Amino acid sequence: NAGVMQNPRHLVRRRGQEARLRCSPMKGHSHVYWYRQLPEEGLKFMVYLQKENIIDESGMPKERFSAEFPKEGPSILRIQQVVRGDSAAYFCASSLEGRNYGYTFGSGTRLTVV
Amino acid sequence: TQLLEQSPQFLSIQEGENLTVYCNSSSVFSSLQWYRQEPGEGPVLLVTVVTGGEVKKLKRLTFQFGDARKDSSLHITAAQPGDTGLYLCAGVASSGTYKYIFGTGTRLKVLA
Repeated sequence: NAGVMQNPRHLVRRRGQEARLRCSPMKGHSHVYWYRQLPEEGLKFMVYLQKENIIDESGMPKERFSAEFPKEGPSILRIQQVVRGDSAAYFCASSLEGRNYGYTFGSGTRLTVV
Repeated sequence: TQLLEQSPQFLSIQEGENLTVYCNSSSVFSSLQWYRQEPGEGPVLLVTVVTGGEVKKLKRLTFQFGDARKDSSLHITAAQPGDTGLYLCAGVASSGTYKYIFGTGTRLKVLA
């Protein structure tokens, strides 16, 4: 496992459809974070998860967005009934336990809503 | 709400020039990191600074954490086209969490 794996790299959805973004953390990492990035902007925190637990979802829109990190399998960021404003790059990162280890990011999923 | 402001927002320089990027906040951070992001890719961690006043060097890059742990700088000596990218600082939001808040970003372009 070379790093954090995100798929798909590119996702096109029509308005009203559902988008599912997957993230497999680096081996040994138990913390997963999702961030959203709009063109020419920085990264906006969305949600922080550990296995089977949501630790902090303060950056997640209250409606249509959900995230999970099951005991087995990748973390999933789910966007229901997508709208054009959801178009962005979504990055997943993982880390070890501890505040100073830093994140390893995936290459992102670029969501385009048409 | 803890915010990290970076300056300048954009920077275009000639190869061989020196530059400094700043990351400022009114909040204290227990640690701060710098990342570089290239188009179409995720950010890559460059360095973590933990102690107030700490200075770390990574080849031609020098990182400093402010004494009060509210600010940081990144200095690049003799910039090269390969340094082109988006530079992001990030700090741990508050104690008891591993969530990082990212700065507004500095987009650097080094011309050959």
